[in-house]
Amino acid sequence: EAGVTQFPSHSVIEKGQTVTLRCDPISGHDNLYWYRRVMGKEIKFLLHFVKESKQDESGMPNNRFLAERTGGTYSTLKVQPAELEDSGVYFCASSQEGLGRQFFGPGTRLTVL
Amino acid sequence: RKEVEQDPGPFNVPEGATVAFNCTYSNSASQSFFWYRQDCRKEPKLLMSVYSSGNEDGRFTAQLNRASQYISLLIRDSKLSDSATYLCASNTGFQKLVFGTGTRLLVSP
Repeated sequence: EAGVTQFPSHSVIEKGQTVTLRCDPISGHDNLYWYRRVMGKEIKFLLHFVKESKQDESGMPNNRFLAERTGGTYSTLKVQPAELEDSGVYFCASSQEGLGRQFFGPGTRLTVL
Repeated sequence: RKEVEQDPGPFNVPEGATVAFNCTYSNSASQSFFWYRQDCRKEPKLLMSVYSSGNEDGRFTAQLNRASQYISLLIRDSKLSDSATYLCASNTGFQKLVFGTGTRLLVSP
């Protein structure tokens, strides 16, 4: 069974530019989560989709971040315009309903210069 | 105070040793707990899930103490390949995970 995949693996952009990250969850997993780890800090929750609906977006830092999951399959996370403090590793995770175990993708390492 | 706290370590142990990490949580509504292993610049990989008192999988044992609000991870017969950062996470109901900062383990020959 294929795991969670994320694209790109790395992205280096300048402040003010736009970046879109993509996550493909494990097939059949309705729950999709985005997390972020900034240097020296713990992994922090950003938001949670159940199928195509946003279940919880309490962790989104501000309105420069927009997440979508059209059709309830893959998800995108867009940062526009990017700021220096957005640098970090963005992880996506997915889970089956009711089990709670979340499986993580390899992450996208974002560097904003 | 952080919701999930871990000793960052590093814990330096020789091969074959037994090592234990603790993780404390402050949210009494936490229902389930997870131990993840994270290698340098890699994603967290699920190691164990703890839903009730504990769980055992080979050399790894996780214990949950709800009265004192902590979870422990015991690794027996440490291998060189066990060297990694071990992340503790809590969940209040199959929703978002709250992570600790991780405990670094170094197993030496």
